[in-house]
Amino acid sequence: NAGVMQNPRHLVRRRGQEARLRCSPMKGHSHVYWYRQLPEEGLKFMVYLQKENIIDESGMPKERFSAEFPKEGPSILRIQQVVRGDSAAYFCASSRNPTGEAFFGQGTRLTVV
Amino acid sequence: AQTVTQSQPEMSVQEAETVTLSCTYDTSESNYYLFWYKQPPSRQMILVIRQEAYKQQNATENRFSVNFQKAAKSFSLKISDSQLGDTAMYFCAFMKHEDNNDMRFGAGTRLTVKP
Repeated sequence: NAGVMQNPRHLVRRRGQEARLRCSPMKGHSHVYWYRQLPEEGLKFMVYLQKENIIDESGMPKERFSAEFPKEGPSILRIQQVVRGDSAAYFCASSRNPTGEAFFGQGTRLTVV
Repeated sequence: AQTVTQSQPEMSVQEAETVTLSCTYDTSESNYYLFWYKQPPSRQMILVIRQEAYKQQNATENRFSVNFQKAAKSFSLKISDSQLGDTAMYFCAFMKHEDNNDMRFGAGTRLTVKP
């Protein structure tokens, strides 16, 4: 049973471009969570999705950021018109149910140049 | 590859008592960071404590302290004078020193503090 898979591991984008981060949850997990880790800080919650639904997006910036978890395929975190401040590690976690154990992926390091 | 193991899926402790959460890891690296994160129901991940492998002194942060045994690759978290607000999931994590992207998490321990 493969763990949570995130790709790419490293992503470099120029200012103004779009970044797409993918997260494939563990088999049987229908709950996905995205976190952002800024340099020297802890992980900050961004969004919680269940298949085809956004449950809680209270931690996600209102502009330029969006997330989806379609019926088929991975969850996608999309950042439009990236800025230098978006440079961070983005982690995804999945769980079988809302209160179950969450397993983390290895993260995607986004660098905006 | 680095792996992080938390062997206690659930633990409970009486308010005001002390509890220790265990974490072991496997790595061939000599320099790295270890973390304990607290995840309350809000799903926020709160950094509780951080240890740098080259420092022999165990990190402490108020009621939280670690027992870092580098040779044994063990990194346990001790919570003293447990409070009801300590009820949460606790994740142990490992990160290589030169690669901020390579953070590995344990499966977590659900701690319940009972009144």
